[in-house]
Amino acid sequence: DIQMTQSPSSVSASVGDRVTITCRANQGIDTWLAWFQQKPGKAPKLLIYTASTLHSGVPSRFSGSGSGTDFTLTISSLQPEDFATYFCQQAKSFPLTFGGGTKVEIK
Amino acid sequence: EVQLVESGGDLVQPGRSLTLSCTASGFTFGDYSMSWFRQVPGKGLEWVAFVRSKAYGGTIENAASVKGRFTISRDDSKSIAYLQMNSLKTEDTALYYCARSISHHQCDPWGQGTLVTVSS
Repeated sequence: DIQMTQSPSSVSASVGDRVTITCRANQGIDTWLAWFQQKPGKAPKLLIYTASTLHSGVPSRFSGSGSGTDFTLTISSLQPEDFATYFCQQAKSFPLTFGGGTKVEIK
Repeated sequence: EVQLVESGGDLVQPGRSLTLSCTASGFTFGDYSMSWFRQVPGKGLEWVAFVRSKAYGGTIENAASVKGRFTISRDDSKSIAYLQMNSLKTEDTALYYCARSISHHQCDPWGQGTLVTVSS
């Protein structure tokens, strides 16, 4: 199985801050990586797929990069509605696996 | 509007069975592969099962933790994906989500989830 390691597990930030979350796979996954946002009591929402493709309707302050084993999700200017937990997911092969999540909290 | 609605979650005793349904609307269900995921509230996400569209053979994939116990299926005429869960264990307790695969196992949208609690 492909293991996904996300860091940090939590980050405290202020509105307007630039936030970067990283995700590392223990083997190469090309660009088969998705990023999700999840708010309490809600289902995950797709933000980025294929490592860097912004999903329809997702604000442009979100961006993704990387290939192979190392990936990054960047929020260029944090907004109040962005406080949530973020997960990465590898889509290279079954079983599909997720990172442990990064909780973005208000500083 | 593309929408997925899960149903069938319940409180069941260990060893019993349960079938979850995922009813789709707003898109041509038969054109898409579908997945089930689960999440213990407050914890991480776990993929459970996947069924390909008929165009890709309708074949399935299962997580090791549920292999031999859970079966995913689909009825394209009704736009429903199912998760038949047998021999349930306490560790199967979770919120179960279905999701549409839009690009090589990357999923959107997800339904709102249905809660399965396995307890005596």
